[in-house]
Amino acid sequence: NAGVTQTPKFQVLKTGQSMTLQCAQDMNHNSMYWYRQDPGMGLRLIYYSASEGTTDKGEVPNGYNVSRLNKREFSLRLESAAPSQTSVYFCASSMTGSTGELFFGEGSRLTVL
Amino acid sequence: AQSVSQHNHHVILSEAASLELGCNYSYGGTVNLFWYVQYPGQHLQLLLKYFSGDPLVKGIKGFEAEFIKSKFSFNLRKPSVQWSDTAEYFCAVMDTGRRALTFGSGTRLQVQP
Repeated sequence: NAGVTQTPKFQVLKTGQSMTLQCAQDMNHNSMYWYRQDPGMGLRLIYYSASEGTTDKGEVPNGYNVSRLNKREFSLRLESAAPSQTSVYFCASSMTGSTGELFFGEGSRLTVL
Repeated sequence: AQSVSQHNHHVILSEAASLELGCNYSYGGTVNLFWYVQYPGQHLQLLLKYFSGDPLVKGIKGFEAEFIKSKFSFNLRKPSVQWSDTAEYFCAVMDTGRRALTFGSGTRLQVQP
């Protein structure tokens, strides 16, 4: 049982380049999330999807877009990367949004030069 | 929106010492509270959770937390830490509006053998 799988694990971009972080879960969960983790700031919610077909903004959505491709997959896209987006990105899923028990992927470390 | 404060950013303890990590949240209504742990190089995993009932909740690996509603606190405790408890600990509260978790900034625990 793989749980939550994120790709790529590491990526270096130049300012202005675009990229997509992929996330897939095999637990038949309804809700999926993208967080970013920065030193001293904990995890901040970028976007979330309460169920297939819906997406909503979190605390820090600027500069990002998401797609809930199907129940399993939830991708995060940076259209024009900026150094401020250097961070570790975590995808997570939960059976429903109300329980709060999230299952996290291993993270994707992104550096924007 | 809810906010979560973790007072200790970096804690260094010797093995067998007792641990208490502080967590305060801002929301005054019904809350669901969580502690997550991130071991070095690993993804976040749930340590324990409080929804209702007994305010003293027990989690994995001998951790416990006490919910004190009057103080808006949910402090994490362990009577005797081990070297393997070295990790970063995050307190989180369920944002009932977004149905997603709001995390604190984290506490890095270093246990010296």
